[in-house]
Amino acid sequence: EAGVAQSPRYKIIEKRQSVAFWCNPISGHATLYWYQQILGQGPKLLIQFQNNGVVDDSQLPKDRFSAERLKGVDSTLKIQPAKLEDSAVYLCASSFLGPLPGELFFGEGSRLTVL
Amino acid sequence: AQKVTQAQTEISVVEKEDVTLDCVYETRDTTYYLFWYKQPPSGELVFLIRRNSFDEQNEISGRYSWNFQKSTSSFNFTITASQVVDSAVYFCALSSDNAGNMLTFGGGTRLMVKP
Repeated sequence: EAGVAQSPRYKIIEKRQSVAFWCNPISGHATLYWYQQILGQGPKLLIQFQNNGVVDDSQLPKDRFSAERLKGVDSTLKIQPAKLEDSAVYLCASSFLGPLPGELFFGEGSRLTVL
Repeated sequence: AQKVTQAQTEISVVEKEDVTLDCVYETRDTTYYLFWYKQPPSGELVFLIRRNSFDEQNEISGRYSWNFQKSTSSFNFTITASQVVDSAVYFCALSSDNAGNMLTFGGGTRLMVKP
């Protein structure tokens, strides 16, 4: 079974530039998450989708971050304009839809460096 | 508000030693779920276990065991006879119905097992 795919793995940009990350979840997983993991810290949820609807985006800095999940499958996370503090690993995860918080399957992440 | 604290930022042991990773959580919810995830150097987080707040029985899976104590709000993880392949960052996480099943992660404990 293929895992969660993310690209690019690494990206270096200058502040005020824009960047986009792509995620392809495990086939059949209705729920998709984007997490931000700053070096030395635990992951922090940015946004959660269920199919193509947003469940939770309370911690997404909406003035610069946006995310979409077209057709309930792939998802894109965009940052525009980037700030130095956006340097982090952006993790995508997916899970089955169920009544209980389930096992999340994570991708390897996209590491962003903002100079 | 939910909070997960992993006081040990880094632990170093020699192979075959037992090691316990501590996790203390805070929540006002009566129904909640606790998780442990492993993050190897490749970056993707791997699910290890989920426990609900009504099940305080300890669990053992091979060399791994978990001790859930509601009285002290702790969910500790022990690796018996550690191996070099256990070297990773381990995250404890909390989710509750009232938080929309959003996972709140601790800061992680980096475990280094030396041969």
